[in-house]
Amino acid sequence: AQTVTQSQPEMSVQEAETVTLSCTYDTSESDYYLFWYKQPPSRQMILVIRQEAYKQQNATENRFSVNFQKAAKSFSLKISDSQLGDAAMYFCAYTGANSKLTFGKGITLSVRP
Amino acid sequence: DAGVIQSPRHEVTEMGQEVTLRCKPISGHNSLFWYRQTMMRGLELLIYFNNNVPIDDSGMPEDRFSAKMPNASFSTLKIQPSEPRDSAVYFCASSPGLAWGNTQYFGPGTRLTVL
Repeated sequence: AQTVTQSQPEMSVQEAETVTLSCTYDTSESDYYLFWYKQPPSRQMILVIRQEAYKQQNATENRFSVNFQKAAKSFSLKISDSQLGDAAMYFCAYTGANSKLTFGKGITLSVRP
Repeated sequence: DAGVIQSPRHEVTEMGQEVTLRCKPISGHNSLFWYRQTMMRGLELLIYFNNNVPIDDSGMPEDRFSAKMPNASFSTLKIQPSEPRDSAVYFCASSPGLAWGNTQYFGPGTRLTVL
């Protein structure tokens, strides 16, 4: 079974600075997809970024980018120029051949003004 | 285009009562997923449908839980009888289909409190 681990429960970043959120996963599949979802206090789960495992290039969406290390089974999210609106819980998730999403426990990110 | 719609947003009920949560997926999406989120267990997949047919209900915790999808635009998750340990946030998500890697889009969730 696939597992997703987010070992840091909380992180804090100064506004306008850069922060990296870590995620590791375990799988025996060779092809799969990885996601980062954001959950602000409103509870809505919002897709931040998506990475296909067979693609070497790291995904980027505006201020959000990932560092995908397939051999190390690592999938970290970098947020550049952090904004107050980035404060939320962030979940790393995995999906493989069975189309089920497996989530990590999440990390709470706070942004200091 | 409207996103996934869930109702009610909040539900408070007493132990033993029947609870029905509702979901309307994004139009044109063929797959629908029900999740439960708690502090202790995080986000868990309960059941998912494809083309209105339940595909995998292995995450449904007990027989007290049931889910239906009578048509492409509506699904329900029912708990009967409800218990305090069912208190959680329940999310519905939809995706275009079960093709590998399709993104799931989540609704705003229903916060259920069972007293």
